[in-house]
Amino acid sequence: NAGVTQTPKFQVLKTGQSMTLQCAQDMNHEYMSWYRQDPGMGLRLIHYSVGAGITDQGEVPNGYNVSRSTTEDFPLRLLSAAPSQTSVYFCATGGRQETQYFGPGTRLLVL
Amino acid sequence: SQQGEEDPQALSIQEGENATMNCSYKTSINNLQWYRQNSGRGLVHLILIRSNEREKHSGRLRVTLDTSKKSSSLLITASRAADTASYFCATDPGSQGNLIFGKGTKLSVKP
Repeated sequence: NAGVTQTPKFQVLKTGQSMTLQCAQDMNHEYMSWYRQDPGMGLRLIHYSVGAGITDQGEVPNGYNVSRSTTEDFPLRLLSAAPSQTSVYFCATGGRQETQYFGPGTRLLVL
Repeated sequence: SQQGEEDPQALSIQEGENATMNCSYKTSINNLQWYRQNSGRGLVHLILIRSNEREKHSGRLRVTLDTSKKSSSLLITASRAADTASYFCATDPGSQGNLIFGKGTKLSVKP
């Protein structure tokens, strides 16, 4: 089992470009989430989903969009990239109120 | 908003010594989790302790939870150079399972 996979590992964007960060899990968990990690900070929740077809906003949702059409996949879309979105993005999955399993992360640089 | 605050922000010790990190939080919680992050890598789950538990052990790790003081501590005994990493506490305060992370403690274990 791969656990949680994220692609790409690294991406450079220009301001205004859009892109989708992919996240997939084979652990059969209903709950999935996206976090961003900035230097010297802990992780902050962007969006989360408690099951296919259900998504909700976290602490820092502005500029991001998500959808959940299947249990396995939870893509994160940047609508119009800004330098403030330069960060490392982590996807996670797990049972509700249980251990969360994190992917390896995507490093995003917005110029 | 950051719920958890780790203390100290940085800790440098010699191999074989014990390392203690503390975490304080603000609201009631369902559980508290500790994660390790090696430089440039994803998060690895260490221990989950529920609000009705006071202490938990896993190998060389010991976690305590004091809900009356809204604080937790992580003790790593007989530390090794491989324990060098950042350690984060994350609280689960709501019904969805969303985690709120602190800024982390950077542990350096010198051989």
